[in-house]
Amino acid sequence: GAVVSQHPSWVICKSGTSVKIECRSLDFQATTMFWYRQFPKQSLMLMATSNEGSKATYEQGVEKDKFLINHASLTLSTLTVTSAHPEDSSFYICSARDVAGEREQYFGPGTRLTVT
Amino acid sequence: GQNIDQPTEMTATEGAIVQINCTYQTSGFNGLFWYQQHAGEAPTFLSYNVLDGLEEKGRFSSFLSRSKGYSYLLLKELQMKDSASYLCAVLTGGGNKLTFGTGTQLKVEL
Repeated sequence: GAVVSQHPSWVICKSGTSVKIECRSLDFQATTMFWYRQFPKQSLMLMATSNEGSKATYEQGVEKDKFLINHASLTLSTLTVTSAHPEDSSFYICSARDVAGEREQYFGPGTRLTVT
Repeated sequence: GQNIDQPTEMTATEGAIVQINCTYQTSGFNGLFWYQQHAGEAPTFLSYNVLDGLEEKGRFSSFLSRSKGYSYLLLKELQMKDSASYLCAVLTGGGNKLTFGTGTQLKVEL
């Protein structure tokens, strides 16, 4: 149990275009989902916390107008990178926490974004 | 602010024991996680400590001292497949926010 999927697993896009990444909890309901970014040889950095039915909470330094987050249901959150630039190239990972309120976060497999 | 430190790299021999340390200074504390991450993959859960002491799970054990802001992950009977990055992460913000340490890249050699 506790499986989180992400789609796509990798994507290449041109500079200036937008990319949407989906995060789904497959066998549980998640009131809270988290979006992380990881650059090569670095650790995960929390970008934003997404709560179902409400606006996401962004970490300091993360542009909310550039990284649009929508958490429309208890099993789906999306991250849209708008007007992507090469410096946005990174590994984006989502995680989800069960509505049961467990402390543990279940991580998706990640999405490798390359902006050319 | 949040500060979580781990050694950057460690090397150990197959069959041996290795201890990966993590020190933290955070505003608030709701528990500490250890994750394993292979290159290009998502982190996988190893352990969770919220009270002081040792938690043992098979070849992996994790220790926590809240008064010292210190934890370690102990890996026994090392196998080649244990070569990975090990991430220490502290839960803060009333249990809502997970802050990751810098990660320790472990290399297991023959």
